[in-house]
Amino acid sequence: DGGITQSPKYLFRKEGQNVTLSCEQNLNHDAMYWYRQDPGQGLRLIYYSQIVNDFQKGDIAEGYSVSREKKESFPLTVTSAQKNPTAFYLCASSISGTVGEQYFGPGTRLTVT
Amino acid sequence: DQQVKQNSPSLSVQEGRISILNCDYTNSMFDYFLWYKKYPAEGPTFLISISSIKDKNEDGRFTVFLNKSAKHLSLHIVPSQPGDSAVYFCAASGSGGSNYKLTFGKGTLLTVNP
Repeated sequence: DGGITQSPKYLFRKEGQNVTLSCEQNLNHDAMYWYRQDPGQGLRLIYYSQIVNDFQKGDIAEGYSVSREKKESFPLTVTSAQKNPTAFYLCASSISGTVGEQYFGPGTRLTVT
Repeated sequence: DQQVKQNSPSLSVQEGRISILNCDYTNSMFDYFLWYKKYPAEGPTFLISISSIKDKNEDGRFTVFLNKSAKHLSLHIVPSQPGDSAVYFCAASGSGGSNYKLTFGKGTLLTVNP
């Protein structure tokens, strides 16, 4: 089955620790994205990548870093510099050259205490 | 500055009736609009989209209407079913080098009562 995998579903970390969230897709999509959702908020774009070895900052990139070494993988690192890291993180992908539809993974709930 | 606005945080309708979810946008560069449905603790799923060259797009029980002059779009669900109960997000993308970037509204929680 083609799709987007995010692991783990729930993640707990102590304040001051970096943590990396996994995102893998087997849809052969060129573009991948990371969003964050907070209660009562829409999805806010953290980073996106339109092609391997290239990525751009989204609207709320501070305190986050990404890499795109493989087409299938787009891991997100939440660093200790992120002031409010507790949130629901969503990864998505889309076919390069197609405007619009992005397909989302199941999300990772990160709790930092 | 919120470029995509969903002014109704919640909506409650009876099963079998029509649900109308509204969305307004401010950026005139947006030319493609989408609706997503989201259950708690899950990723959003794509429902329906519309290009700015159209004013209506229909897919089964779901119809999206676009009024470009008013910068307004709406999602109609007819007939509404209890399984439609979820948060619905409006999203928009545009030209200017960021075709792939979606801007989301805050969502509307739809509750369909049996």
